[in-house]
Amino acid sequence: KQEVTQIPAALSVPEGENLVLNCSFTDSAIYNLQWFRQDPGKGLTSLLLIQSSQREQTSGRLNASLDKSSGRSTLYIAASQPGDSATYLCAVSSTGTASKLTFGTGTRLQVTL
Amino acid sequence: EAGVTQFPSHSVIEKGQTVTLRCDPISGHDNLYWYRRVMGKEIKFLLHFVKESKQDESGMPNNRFLAERTGGTYSTLKVQPAELEDSGVYFCASSQVPTYGYTFGSGTRLTVV
Repeated sequence: KQEVTQIPAALSVPEGENLVLNCSFTDSAIYNLQWFRQDPGKGLTSLLLIQSSQREQTSGRLNASLDKSSGRSTLYIAASQPGDSATYLCAVSSTGTASKLTFGTGTRLQVTL
Repeated sequence: EAGVTQFPSHSVIEKGQTVTLRCDPISGHDNLYWYRRVMGKEIKFLLHFVKESKQDESGMPNNRFLAERTGGTYSTLKVQPAELEDSGVYFCASSQVPTYGYTFGSGTRLTVV
């Protein structure tokens, strides 16, 4: 059974700092890994999708890496801004159960002025 | 393109009542999913439709939950009778090809009192 863990659970950083969010998963047999952002009271916004054959994906100030063999992914946010404050969720789609996403509990990020 | 639409956005009902949630996926997306997040826990898979057929309903908690997708367009999730532990946020997602990622709706926050 796939399990996804995100560390830390919460993080507060001053504006301008670079930061890393971590995601680990127990079963390396995955199709892909997706990072989402959730703002309070809102839905999930997809940030980056990494296929199992890829090592990383980049979008603007965001860079996500994937090390499938070790069951780890990181989301790197460069030059953080107050607008980046949100909960960040990691989810994996496992081989054989491609219809399901297994989510972590998320990292709540606050970027202060 | 229009996103995934869910309504209502909020619903407060008494224990024992019936509630129906609706999801309109992105046009042309054959795959439709329901997920749920209860307080303090991670988002969990409920079920997956491919067009009007239930592909996987292994996450449905019990027979008080009934999902339908008549005609392969919008979907409804009915909870009857509702219990206190059904409170949470219910998310709908759709995809054209599951391994290429998902688009989530804003969710319906259900409170059973």
